[in-house]
Amino acid sequence: GAVVSQHPSRVICKSGTSVKIECRSLDFQATTMFWYRQFPKKSLMLMATSNEGSKATYEQGVEKDKFLINHASLTLSTLTVTSAHPEDSSFYICSARDSLGTTNEKLFFGSGTQLSVL
Amino acid sequence: AQKITQTQPGMFVQEKEAVTLDCTYDTSDPSYGLFWYKQPSSGEMIFLIYQGSYDQQNATEGRYSLNFQKARKSANLVISASQLGDSAMYFCAMRELYYGGSQGNLIFGKGTKLSVKP
Repeated sequence: GAVVSQHPSRVICKSGTSVKIECRSLDFQATTMFWYRQFPKKSLMLMATSNEGSKATYEQGVEKDKFLINHASLTLSTLTVTSAHPEDSSFYICSARDSLGTTNEKLFFGSGTQLSVL
Repeated sequence: AQKITQTQPGMFVQEKEAVTLDCTYDTSDPSYGLFWYKQPSSGEMIFLIYQGSYDQQNATEGRYSLNFQKARKSANLVISASQLGDSAMYFCAMRELYYGGSQGNLIFGKGTKLSVKP
């Protein structure tokens, strides 16, 4: 089946630094990728929708200058948490949609990134 | 109003027994899809089963079956012959295919933590 690679799986950084998370579709082209954030024991909350070659669409309440999303190719989307603060500590997970998929296709998820900001 | 409701924050089941995880949804979209995902402690999201709103029969995938009751707007997941490896968080999700646009985003419930006892 389709594979989505996400890395790093875990990152610990100091407050004020920026962290980049990569999401790659390994065996299919993903015109659309989604970035979710998950707090402990919480559901996945959509942060933004990333379309190849265009600006990401952010959900209400998500700071676009804080969470920079780039989708430069059909197989790669990146999320950069700029000037990270402890409240940004969370589990971030990406998912990708096969550009050739039908409306009932499942999304393929990356393995997630646990971000801890000290 | 919540679009996906999972009323059971935690469930226990004895190994080899069957368990039902509840999910109700709310949508006015005439066409939608319902999904169940498993999230083990590692954080990855594993697709389990899909049910389309126009599907006449309940979906089944191995030990997983979906009890779809459209009039009641419920899509309960049934796991038969529980195994220790089934211990995980389970998320119900929905994609609205008409009003939800073509992006394909999933709306998640808050999840149910299933613990299988030996």
